[in-house]
Amino acid sequence: DAKTTQPTSMDCAEGRAANLPCNHSTISGNEYVYWYRQIHSQGPQYIIHGLKNNETNEMASLIITEDRKSSTLILPHATLRDTAVYYCIVRALYNFNKFYFGSGTKLNVKP
Amino acid sequence: DADVTQTPRNRITKTGKRIMLECSQTKGHDRMYWYRQDPGLGLRLIYYSFDVKDINKGEISDGYSVSRQAQAKFSLSLESAIPNQTALYFCATSEGGDGYTFGSGTRLTVV
Repeated sequence: DAKTTQPTSMDCAEGRAANLPCNHSTISGNEYVYWYRQIHSQGPQYIIHGLKNNETNEMASLIITEDRKSSTLILPHATLRDTAVYYCIVRALYNFNKFYFGSGTKLNVKP
Repeated sequence: DADVTQTPRNRITKTGKRIMLECSQTKGHDRMYWYRQDPGLGLRLIYYSFDVKDINKGEISDGYSVSRQAQAKFSLSLESAIPNQTALYFCATSEGGDGYTFGSGTRLTVV
């Protein structure tokens, strides 16, 4: 699986959009981009995933660049409860082996 | 009830003791996983199982064993616990290309 690069930490004001970047320059054509988050030692929570088209669900939007070498997770209206570590993971859809969780980005949402 | 339930939530045990961590799920998923998380690190895969008759080692399986008693149950054992197995342990399930569903974790301390 392709590896990812994320900033170690980011700050965001409550009510504003949080934009979390991820670089995955070695991504292969059959690999998806997944986003998870982990709130203070709880189990990681699935957020969203996509292949090449932008995706949106009730939690977030995922924007993938045309060359698929990077992506951005957008939380449209961040709240204090969105403070967490966010993991960007690249994995082939039918690679049932595992997810590689790197160090992620610690998002601090401030009042 | 949670989709993925781990017991116990917290456990302190002595070096050399055998300990079992249990995981049960109501998702109906065939695939189950055990991860450990250490402070400042991402999640590392210990073992995974695609069905009751299928068990596979992950990247850090030494010192651990697992049992898949049923589709819904996947337990992790430490045959002879040692202090560097002190960590947060997560069980997860998945189905096909979907994301994982994680349990709330077991915090294990080996003294």
